[in-house]
Amino acid sequence: EPEVTQTPSHQVTQMGQEVILRCVPISNHLYFYWYRQILGQKVEFLVSFYNNEISEKSEIFDDQFSVERPDGSNFTLKIRSTKLEDSAMYFCASSELAGGVNEQFFGPGTRLTVL
Amino acid sequence: GESVGLHLPTLSVQEGDNSIINCAYSNSASDYFIWYKQESGKGPQFIIDIRSNMDKRQGQRVTVLLNKTVKHLSLQIAATQPGDSAVYFCAEKNTGRRALTFGSGTRLQVQP
Repeated sequence: EPEVTQTPSHQVTQMGQEVILRCVPISNHLYFYWYRQILGQKVEFLVSFYNNEISEKSEIFDDQFSVERPDGSNFTLKIRSTKLEDSAMYFCASSELAGGVNEQFFGPGTRLTVL
Repeated sequence: GESVGLHLPTLSVQEGDNSIINCAYSNSASDYFIWYKQESGKGPQFIIDIRSNMDKRQGQRVTVLLNKTVKHLSLQIAATQPGDSAVYFCAEKNTGRRALTFGSGTRLQVQP
């Protein structure tokens, strides 16, 4: 069964450093998403991406965040200058393009720890 | 066992019993609802969804009920198994948006 994959599984970084979280969505999917989950809290939407551009973003997704589809398979989330409060699980998800609603398939997540 | 809303973070049931997990949503514009299961260290896993033009949908051992009048969603798991132990999130979406809005989650513990 096809699945979303994410690397690394755990990233530790110093405050102020840049990090890039990587995702490989399911191959025939065209919508891509990033969500985050701070420990013990609910999953929060960050951004959706379609046709090489951001289609929707939340208030959390400020100027320190950016997304990119550098090639035909990868989808990345970059945090330019990490803060302590960026520590969270970051989940990538993807969905097909079809009429109506589309199930979003989630990856296993990257745990980001900012020290 | 029954949890009322997501104010009760943990639901403990005996193996073989039926479980009911409840969720109250706030956005009356939401027209699509999903239940996700999240096991420790993993991402959310789709269980079942329902559109707002339905009030009930059944899957394998799971049933989702939607009451739009009171903005309430429930997940029923029949014959709960130890493998069902996880945190369960409801999520909602409205037409024209891609973002899912997740609830706070309920932890289901299945006692053997």
